[in-house]
Amino acid sequence: AQKVTQAQTEISVVEKEDVTLDCVYETRDTTYYLFWYKQPPSGELVFLIRRNSFDEQNEISGRYSWNFQKSTSSFNFTITASQVVDSAVYFCALSESEDSNYQLIWGAGTKLIIKP
Amino acid sequence: GAGVSQTPSNKVTEKGKYVELRCDPISGHTALYWYRQSLGQGPEFLIYFQGTGAADDSGLPNDRFFAVRPEGSVSTLKIQRTERGDSAVYLCASSLTRPSTDTQYFGPGTRLTVL
Repeated sequence: AQKVTQAQTEISVVEKEDVTLDCVYETRDTTYYLFWYKQPPSGELVFLIRRNSFDEQNEISGRYSWNFQKSTSSFNFTITASQVVDSAVYFCALSESEDSNYQLIWGAGTKLIIKP
Repeated sequence: GAGVSQTPSNKVTEKGKYVELRCDPISGHTALYWYRQSLGQGPEFLIYFQGTGAADDSGLPNDRFFAVRPEGSVSTLKIQRTERGDSAVYLCASSLTRPSTDTQYFGPGTRLTVL
């Protein structure tokens, strides 16, 4: 069973629009970590955020914000006032507790296209 | 350098040849990971090192793939008798200590093309 689902394969918006990328995860562990990475056309995976399962506070960093809801097993990512430079593939990933397999479990990614 | 570095950035080889891909992690990071990423997909785990030892090599697809980290820093991923299906971007990442608690930072990857 897929553990990290990014249902949106590709999203295209016009610059300055707000856009939300969805991430739904599945785990039986009570301790886990969720991540978002950005992969621009250059190919390098860039770390954006890490959230542990005990911290449900939403996070804001500039134009980026993350909404973590354990009740729906979701960790959604919103870009406000999008810019062309935000165009990239965005990956959500899950890391489960120390007793479990520690590999990052990746979603399939959402390709975000910001049109000028 | 400050980040994870990988060499070469691109490698083109012929089917059946041997290749080595190198990863230089962030200084002081004890954990090192290799992933493989095919076009349009997320990274696929290959192997994880804690220090000099391979803590988990369950992601290596077959015995043609091997990786070493002899001094607990630089790692080399070795692929014997390459096949066209091995073509992918090979990503290396490192983290400070434990993989489940520490963020993994990625290098730029090596794009391997097997003709």
